[in-house]
Amino acid sequence: SYVVTQPPSVSVAPGETARLTCGGDNISSDSVHWYQQKPGRAPVLVIYFDTDRPSGIPERFSGSNSGNTATLTISRVEAGDEADYYCQLWDSGRDHQVFGPGTKVTVL
Amino acid sequence: QITLKESGPTQLKSTQTLTLTCTFSGFSFDISGVGVGWIRQPPGKSLELLGIIYWDDVKRYSPPLNNRLAITRDSSKNQVVLTMANVAPVDTATYYCAHAEASGPSFLDVWGQGILVTVSS
Repeated sequence: SYVVTQPPSVSVAPGETARLTCGGDNISSDSVHWYQQKPGRAPVLVIYFDTDRPSGIPERFSGSNSGNTATLTISRVEAGDEADYYCQLWDSGRDHQVFGPGTKVTVL
Repeated sequence: QITLKESGPTQLKSTQTLTLTCTFSGFSFDISGVGVGWIRQPPGKSLELLGIIYWDDVKRYSPPLNNRLAITRDSSKNQVVLTMANVAPVDTATYYCAHAEASGPSFLDVWGQGILVTVSS
């Protein structure tokens, strides 16, 4: 089955930039979506189709996808960005979508 | 405004069948590309997409769970029902339904609040 990797945790100071990665074999051939989940809450879509941002999501959130790595970038990080972040992509081998294991973002 | 809400039992015993209902508003299955997905999240763990039912009644299920799952819809009631047979303690999780856009690599742009289902042996 398709193996998706995300670093378990990322720590970043307020005002700095956080780069969260989602790794997979030739992931750039897939569309990747990103979700933010705060404790006790349902996930929220923050990026879809690699780079698109839903209405209401700040421009500080951006995405890219190249080679074997998709990246969610959070610029000018704020305390409210502290959350778990999950990538979602298509596992063509199983003809189904999978989520990555998630990255916990801590704002120092 | 799109909203979804999950309802159903919060406690089950092993081998029972789980039936959850997702009641939605703000959209309909008349629109091409629309779907409703079911996702679960065991405590402290990642998300797992269980399946999606689309506007054309196509259903896609998680391959490992394919033989235990069924997703149906009642468009007149704006409801989607998830049925999972033969549950076990490992099925303990928060279950979410969500509005899905696009077939294939669908994204889930609006989620319900979730319902915690606990399965005991």
